[in-house]
Amino acid sequence: ILNVEQSPQSLHVQEGDSTNFTCSFPSSNFYALHWYRWETAKSPEALFVMTLNGDEKKKGRISATLNTKEGYSYLYIKGSQPEDSATYLCAPIMYSGGGADGLTFGKGTHLIIQP
Amino acid sequence: SAVISQKPSRDICQRGTSLTIQCQVDSQVTMMFWYRQQPGQSLTLIATANQGSEATYESGFVIDKFPISRPNLTFSTLTVSNMSPEDSSIYLCSVEEKVLVEQFFGPGTRLTVL
Repeated sequence: ILNVEQSPQSLHVQEGDSTNFTCSFPSSNFYALHWYRWETAKSPEALFVMTLNGDEKKKGRISATLNTKEGYSYLYIKGSQPEDSATYLCAPIMYSGGGADGLTFGKGTHLIIQP
Repeated sequence: SAVISQKPSRDICQRGTSLTIQCQVDSQVTMMFWYRQQPGQSLTLIATANQGSEATYESGFVIDKFPISRPNLTFSTLTVSNMSPEDSSIYLCSVEEKVLVEQFFGPGTRLTVL
């Protein structure tokens, strides 16, 4: 069973503030990491797929970094807006030598932006 | 990106009954998956829906409880059988067009079992 931990479990942030949260995963046999955003009553939406140690990806005010040697990824949101309120999920993929598999998600970080 | 629809979007069911959830994709895809999220839990993979053969179930999930059909490359169903309140969850289907490219998710089916 793949152990994926996300922290914090929930987070209240004032509108305009920046924030970040963590995804931890086993560092051995790492293959890739997915980040998703899941807003209430909507489909989970892919944010990033990261593969290389030191990768940094950016999408608007959201960015993510990846450290495969120590097994963690950070997601940053700059200047939080109410529309950023969602649950943020990460899903690491370990190299198994096989083909495509379903994803193993962490429990997510539930982010609430307060106006 | 693939567009995915699910039916029903929500349902309230009685204990002991079964519900079949449909997933329709607007293009042919090789990989389709079924997930569920129980309250307060992770989004958890139930099975991979294989076209033309039996689904591949994850540990803790069995075909008798969650039978899956995949008659073609654009459609799949998941049945939740003999339901109990513990089956109250959001059920989602997803597709992966290429390996390691992001998965696209349907809007989910919110199931409440009384």
